[in-house]
Amino acid sequence: DTGVSQNPRHKITKRGQNVTFRCDPISEHNRLYWYRQTLGQGPEFLTYFQNEAQLEKSRLLSDRFSAERPKGSFSTLEIQRTEQGDSAMYLCASSGSGGTGGEQYFGPGTRLTVT
Amino acid sequence: AQSVTQLDSQVPVFEEAPVELRCNYSSSVSVYLFWYVQYPNQGLQLLLKYLSGSTLVKGINGFEAEFNKSQTSFHLRKPSVHISDTAEYFCAVSQRSAGANNLFFGTGTRLTVIP
Repeated sequence: DTGVSQNPRHKITKRGQNVTFRCDPISEHNRLYWYRQTLGQGPEFLTYFQNEAQLEKSRLLSDRFSAERPKGSFSTLEIQRTEQGDSAMYLCASSGSGGTGGEQYFGPGTRLTVT
Repeated sequence: AQSVTQLDSQVPVFEEAPVELRCNYSSSVSVYLFWYVQYPNQGLQLLLKYLSGSTLVKGINGFEAEFNKSQTSFHLRKPSVHISDTAEYFCAVSQRSAGANNLFFGTGTRLTVIP
């Protein structure tokens, strides 16, 4: 069990560019979550996958955001036409299903800076 | 919908002194309760969780929390803090369900341990 990994750890991009982040969950976990954390705030839920199916999306996830989880393994989060307001830490978490109370294991995050 | 209020944004405390970090929640449904810790430039690590049963929950690093249903609180305590406890602490809730257990976080409390 190597934990949840995220790549890249840091990304600096110019406004208007597209960016893509990757998350590799703990291998036996079938649930995967994306959160966004801005400075001085707690993480905010963006979207949730169970296996390859995207089952829930927050209204924070505008049309410029898209997430995928092909084959129910790793996941990608793409932001198109980035804006300065997209600057944040993007966190990925995974969990097993069943009566675990949804205990989620978090990755180290990808810090996005839009200039 | 669920919401979490962490009443103190910053808590300074001297080394070896006790500390309490306050958390209140609001929810129209039954919830699970969590405390996470975030060290600088790292992801979130689970300290402890309340799912059911005893209202006093013990976690890692000597932390404990008590669930009080009537006051809708889940305060975090440690009898004697160490320098290494300096970090950001987040209280979170998730809905009790078989489906998604996405977390709703408070805004965090920065604990600073003073030597």
